[in-house]
Amino acid sequence: GQNIDQPTEMTATEGAIVQINCTYQTSGFNGLFWYQQHAGEAPTFLSYNVLDGLEEKGRFSSFLSRSKGYSYLLLKELQMKDSASYLCAVRDGGSTLGRLYFGRGTQLTVWP
Amino acid sequence: KAGVTQTPRYLIKTRGQQVTLSCSPISGHRSVSWYQQTPGQGLQFLFEYFSETQRNKGNFPGRFSGRQFSNSRSEMNVSTLELGDSALYLCASSHETGNYEQYFGPGTRLTVT
Repeated sequence: GQNIDQPTEMTATEGAIVQINCTYQTSGFNGLFWYQQHAGEAPTFLSYNVLDGLEEKGRFSSFLSRSKGYSYLLLKELQMKDSASYLCAVRDGGSTLGRLYFGRGTQLTVWP
Repeated sequence: KAGVTQTPRYLIKTRGQQVTLSCSPISGHRSVSWYQQTPGQGLQFLFEYFSETQRNKGNFPGRFSGRQFSNSRSEMNVSTLELGDSALYLCASSHETGNYEQYFGPGTRLTVT
């Protein structure tokens, strides 16, 4: 089966740094995605990792360790608008290439 | 480029009815995936279409079906609606199937009463 775990909720203050962890156990692996979803809106793509290591994109960075089945999303210089749900998703491989398995999402609240 | 569009945005149906939702992908994208999002289960994969062929299917009953047209637009159909089908239905498109990020539409909020 497929299992993707991430914390349900996190809080942080403006200007701070927050790390959202994601662990996964899937039968196949062909990349890990992070999406941001504001309440009532569609998920928007943040990052993609397929090789081990850190991918940096502005205030957001994402890390992947395939051997540990682990990823994190790092958000720096937090702003109020970063309050949203952050979804970790794993792309399956092999015959189910293209299918994404999503975690339940981490609701991040940024306080002033 | 215009984003992914979905129609209708909101829908109210009664149990036993059937519903058809539509998705127009980003121009040039040939892969369309459908997801169901509920507070209890999160985002769950329904199916993926590429070049008018269903490439992947999630673990949903046969009441859920879909198709893709030659212009890459896709529809999904749910027959014999149940209360538990109330959810946000999201469509996502990507350039190809495989290692490409998916871009989501705004979703169709379906309420079954």
